Amino acid sequence: GENVEQHPSTLSVQEGDSAVIKCTYSDSASNYFPWYKQELGKRPQLIIDIRSNVGEKKDQRIAVTLNKTAKHFSLHITETQPEDSAVYFCVAGGTSYGKLTFGQGTILTVHP
Amino acid sequence: GAVVSQHPSWVICKSGTSVKIECRSLDFQATTMFWYRQFPKQSLMLMATSNEGSKATYEQGVEKDKFLINHASLTLSTLTVTSAHPEDSSFYICSATPGTGGNQPQHFGDGTRLSIL
Repeated sequence: GENVEQHPSTLSVQEGDSAVIKCTYSDSASNYFPWYKQELGKRPQLIIDIRSNVGEKKDQRIAVTLNKTAKHFSLHITETQPEDSAVYFCVAGGTSYGKLTFGQGTILTVHP
Repeated sequence: GAVVSQHPSWVICKSGTSVKIECRSLDFQATTMFWYRQFPKQSLMLMATSNEGSKATYEQGVEKDKFLINHASLTLSTLTVTSAHPEDSSFYICSATPGTGGNQPQHFGDGTRLSIL
């Protein structure tokens, strides 16, 4: 089955700096890569997603890149704000019936 | 749109009790729903795929007789933790997606925090 590795496990930045989270996946059949943000005790919320026919996607301060050949994808957050502090999960899916495989998560802390 | 409702949000019960958790898609039909378990400070682990009108598909290592899943309608899936024990204490969360195909956004319920005494 699919295996998703995510790094780093924790990331601490100053407000205004950029944050980058990187992931790799193992199943070349995966073609859908969403990113979720989860605050403590709450549901994961979709912040951006990318499909395998696209190499890069941007939405305001958030951008994702995908390298299908290397099976790498990453999340970039620019101009970070304290409210960006949360756990971020990279996810691989798109195969049978929408099954998703989550990475281990990155605890992002943005210091004011 | 695309709201998933999960109930209850919090359950505390004695060891040996069975607990039922409901997951509803409020404004769309979902032929497939997913159940996850999340231990503190860990990631979401898929437990099973719930299929409307047929048997659920369980992930390796998940006991199907322990975690009973019923998907009786296009808007409701239930997870029953049978004879729960303290090690079953966790955050259980469901997800669903409108439409078909594996590359659509999934929407999560608020989760159920289960504590077994």
